Amino acid sequence: EAQVTQNPRYLITVTGKKLTVTCSQNMNHEYMSWYRQDPGLGLRQIYYSMNVEVTDKGDVPEGYKVSRKEKRNFPLILESPSPNQTSLYFCASSSIDSFNEQFFGPGTRLTVL
Amino acid sequence: AQSVSQHNHHVILSEAASLELGCNYSYGGTVNLFWYVQYPGQHLQLLLKYFSGDPLVKGIKGFEAEFIKSKFSFNLRKPSVQWSDTAEYFCAVNAVSNNDMRFGAGTRLTVKP
Repeated sequence: EAQVTQNPRYLITVTGKKLTVTCSQNMNHEYMSWYRQDPGLGLRQIYYSMNVEVTDKGDVPEGYKVSRKEKRNFPLILESPSPNQTSLYFCASSSIDSFNEQFFGPGTRLTVL
Repeated sequence: AQSVSQHNHHVILSEAASLELGCNYSYGGTVNLFWYVQYPGQHLQLLLKYFSGDPLVKGIKGFEAEFIKSKFSFNLRKPSVQWSDTAEYFCAVNAVSNNDMRFGAGTRLTVKP
C-alpha cells in the first residue's frame, strides 16, 4: 500500500530535550516536505526537499532541522524544542512528475511543556 | 511568494444545502491549484486539483471547483452537502516556477443532520 508514515503519532516532551520525528514514504517520490498546522493559520511549510541531499527552508524553518540521506526518509529534528513548537506536524511527499499532488502522512501531535 | 486566502473560517450548513467555499490567491505566474479535505482526526486527502485545461474540475464525493484566472479564484462547490462532509477544507496553490506550495488557513465545515 502506497503511504507516508510518521512516528511517533503523539509526543509530549519538555523544553530543550532534543527529539526527532521520522517520516518515510514508499512511493519513490523525489519531493518531501514538512508542515505544521496551527488553528487559524492552516498549514505552514517548515522545510522541503527536492531529492536526496537537497533541502530548502520553507516559511517557518526556525528551530527545526531536516536531513535527506535516503530518498524514502525525511526526518524532522528539533534540537531544543520550545513551547511555541507545540503543534500538529504533517509530512508529505510527491512525485515531481505528478505536478506536486502531495500525499500526507497521518500527523504527529507534539506538545512541548 | 504567493499567498492563499480562504474567506470563511467556519461554515455551518444543514444537510442538502449547497456549498461554496471561497479561495483566492495572489501570484502572477502559472499555478497548480488544489483542494484538500481533513476529516476529524485524520490527515489531509486530495479532493481535486487543477493543472490545465477545463477550468471546471470535478473531484471525489461530488465536489467540484472552478478556476477563474481573471479573479485569481478557485472556489469549491457541492450542490448538496451531507453530514459526512463535516471536515476542514484547505485550498492550496503551487507556483510552477519554483515549486513553492502554499496553503490557505482552512475552512471548517459543519453539516447539521
